[in-house]
Order: sequence, then C-alpha cells, then structure tokens
Amino acid sequence: DGGITQSPKYLFRKEGQNVTLSCEQNLNHDAMYWYRQDPGQGLRLIYYSQIVNDFQKGDIAEGYSVSREKKESFPLTVTSAQKNPTAFYLCASSSSSRQPQHFGDGTRLSIL
Amino acid sequence: AQSVSQHNHHVILSEAASLELGCNYSYGGTVNLFWYVQYPGQHLQLLLKYFSGDPLVKGIKGFEAEFIKSKFSFNLRKPSVQWSDTAEYFCAVNQDSNYQLIWGAGTKLIIKP
Repeated sequence: DGGITQSPKYLFRKEGQNVTLSCEQNLNHDAMYWYRQDPGQGLRLIYYSQIVNDFQKGDIAEGYSVSREKKESFPLTVTSAQKNPTAFYLCASSSSSRQPQHFGDGTRLSIL
Repeated sequence: AQSVSQHNHHVILSEAASLELGCNYSYGGTVNLFWYVQYPGQHLQLLLKYFSGDPLVKGIKGFEAEFIKSKFSFNLRKPSVQWSDTAEYFCAVNQDSNYQLIWGAGTKLIIKP
C-alpha cells in the first residue's frame, strides 16, 4: 500500500542530545512537510520541501534541521537548541500545493 | 498574520443531532480549503476540500462544507451524527500556489451514544 512511514513511533531524548525522526513516502509526491502538534494548538509547520535538494523554513524552524537528498525521504533532526522538544511530530506529503496532504502516524518525542 | 480560526474547541452532541463546525480564515485572494479528521488512534485524513466551482462540497461519511467567500468561512456540516464521528476536526487553508498550509487549532467532537 502507498503511504507515509514515520519511525520510530516513540522517541526519548536526553538533554543536550540531537535526535533524528525518519519519514519515508512511496506516493511519488514531490512535496514533503514536517509539523509539530501540541494540544490545543493545531499543527504548526516546521519545514517543508517542494523538490529534492530544496527546503524552506516554516513557522517554527528554530532548533530543527532537515535534509531532502531523495524524493522518498525527508528526515527531521531535533537539535539540542530546541528548548521545548516534547511534542507529537507529523510528516506529510503532497503532489502539489493544491492537492491534499497525506499524513504518517506520527512520532511522539519525550525528554528524559 | 494569516490565520485560521475554529470557534469551538470542544463540542458534545448526542447521536442523530445535527453538526456545524465553524472555520474562518484571514486570507484575501484565491484560497484552497480543507477539512481533515483525526479519529482516535488514527492518522490525519482528508474529509473534503474546496478549490473552485460549486461552493458546497461533499466529502466522505456524509460530511459537507460550504465556502462563503464574503464571510471568509468554510463551515463543516453533517445532518445527523453518529457515535463513530467522535474525533478531532481540523480546518486548513492555503493561498493558491503556496505550499504552506495554515491550520486551525482543531475541534474535539464527542458523540454520546
């Protein structure tokens, strides 16, 4: 089945540690996105990528980094500079700006 | 700043009641409008979308939404809800060629059996 796979489902980070969240899609979509979901705040865009080797900051990019070396993959690194990383992270993809985004099941990140 | 407002954060209804969830946005110009749903334990999925044409759009599971341009609104409706409609509903908007979707805060809907 076509879809978006996020891993791991749960992730724990120690203070001062960088962690990388994986996102892979087999929908042949050009665009991919990373969101952060906090209770009562909806989804906030961290980074997005319209094509391979190109990405743009979203509303809350500070403390995060991404890469887009392959069309299928868009990993997100939560760096130690992100002071409040505990959240639910969602990856999505779409074929264009006018088409709906398809979502993965998410990764829940917690601080030890 | 561009924003999307969902007026009700929590809604509780009995089965067979009618539903209307409000969504207002602050953009001018051409917009694409979406309603997504997140059922308990499941990933976000599309309910319906509006790009152009008939302002009354129908989605899955009996949901519909009406785009009223003069009111900058895209309210979601269902004439008779079921217990299985218990979920969180999100409205999202983007300007036509802009990849950046702006999301409302979501409405948690609980249907009492």
